[in-house]
Amino acid sequence: GAVVSQHPSWVICKSGTSVKIECRSLDFQATTMFWYRQFPKQSLMLMATSNEGSKATYEQGVEKDKFLINHASLTLSTLTVTSAHPEDSSFYICSASRPLGVDTEAFFGQGTRLTVV
Amino acid sequence: AQSVTQPDIHITVSEGASLELRCNYSYGATPYLFWYVQSPGQGLQLLLKYFSGDTLVQGIKGFEAEFKRSQSSFNLRKPSVHWSDAAEYFCARGGDYKLSFGAGTTVTVRA
Repeated sequence: GAVVSQHPSWVICKSGTSVKIECRSLDFQATTMFWYRQFPKQSLMLMATSNEGSKATYEQGVEKDKFLINHASLTLSTLTVTSAHPEDSSFYICSASRPLGVDTEAFFGQGTRLTVV
Repeated sequence: AQSVTQPDIHITVSEGASLELRCNYSYGATPYLFWYVQSPGQGLQLLLKYFSGDTLVQGIKGFEAEFKRSQSSFNLRKPSVHWSDAAEYFCARGGDYKLSFGAGTTVTVRA
């Protein structure tokens, strides 16, 4: 299957600082990438859809000014958590979709554990 | 809104025993359905997927799933569980390239 690389795997930052998480599709071009958030023992919640060359589409309840998404190329999307606070501590996972005719398949990064202290 | 339900939060199974994880999806057109597995602190690995055709789908690691339209179900099965199968399992439904996930089922394997 295709490979999606997410970096960093874990990060600890001070409250009030910003953190950038990268998501790269290594062997295919992804016109669309997705960012999910996962709280402990819970499912993945879609935060936003990132489209190459255009603004991201955020799900209801997600603060777009806090979670900045940039999809500058067909292989890279970034999520920046601005002015992070302890409640932003979570597991963030990206996925990249590769359309296969009428079908599609999403490939996931390994996730980023963010801890805000 | 389309949704996915996994009725079982936690399942404990003995090594070597069979495993079945339930997944139901809400009413709608023929869905794209997926099963993913997540080990602690890791991303998701695709086990198998159903788009159309044969309703019995074979996946990796000895897993299979059966799509039953009449029951709106896509249950995951494995005939003989290994200790390494202990993980979190998510059923997901796709549409417009986005995935909606069920709440997940934690599988514990006892010796």
